[in-house]
Amino acid sequence: GAVVSQHPSWVICKSGTSVKIECRSLDFQATTMFWYRQFPKQSLMLMATSNEGSKATYEQGVEKDKFLINHASLTLSTLTVTSAHPEDSSFYICSARSPGQGASNEQFFGPGTRLTVL
Amino acid sequence: GENVEQHPSTLSVQEGDSAVIKCTYSDSASNYFPWYKQELGKRPQLIIDIRSNVGEKKDQRIAVTLNKTAKHFSLHITETQPEDSAVYFCAGGGADGLTFGKGTHLIIQP
Repeated sequence: GAVVSQHPSWVICKSGTSVKIECRSLDFQATTMFWYRQFPKQSLMLMATSNEGSKATYEQGVEKDKFLINHASLTLSTLTVTSAHPEDSSFYICSARSPGQGASNEQFFGPGTRLTVL
Repeated sequence: GENVEQHPSTLSVQEGDSAVIKCTYSDSASNYFPWYKQELGKRPQLIIDIRSNVGEKKDQRIAVTLNKTAKHFSLHITETQPEDSAVYFCAGGGADGLTFGKGTHLIIQP
């Protein structure tokens, strides 16, 4: 159980375009989803926390108007990178947490989306 | 917010030997400390976790210890095998999310 999927797994786009990444919890309902960014040979950096039905909470330094997050249902959160630039090229990973996991704060990670902006 | 420091950044051990990776955290409110293994280009995989009400946890060749007073926790891998080679991340946090350490590249020498 506790499977999280992401789509697409990789995407190449031109500078200035927008890219949408989907994160789905396949076998559980996720009230909270997290979006991370990972540059090559670096750690995962939390970008924002997405709660179903409410606005996302962004980490310091992350532009909320550039990285639009929508968590419209208990199984889907989307991240849209607007007006993407080469410096946005990175590995974007989502994770989901379910209250059904009891007291656990364990996060289940999606497979990641590799974004390359030309 | 939470700050997690991880050492060393690279660790090379002989196959069969033990490996130890250490992390410290800053926020005393953090109550959940998972360890993840990440292979190149793949998602992080949870290998073991520990909560703040426990001092030690073991799962076969892997163990984690937590010292709440000193705010540090460690990953111990015994009898290392080639498939243990990967980048390992510690993390600390709670319901509001996780802060990750910078990672340790573990290399198992044959």
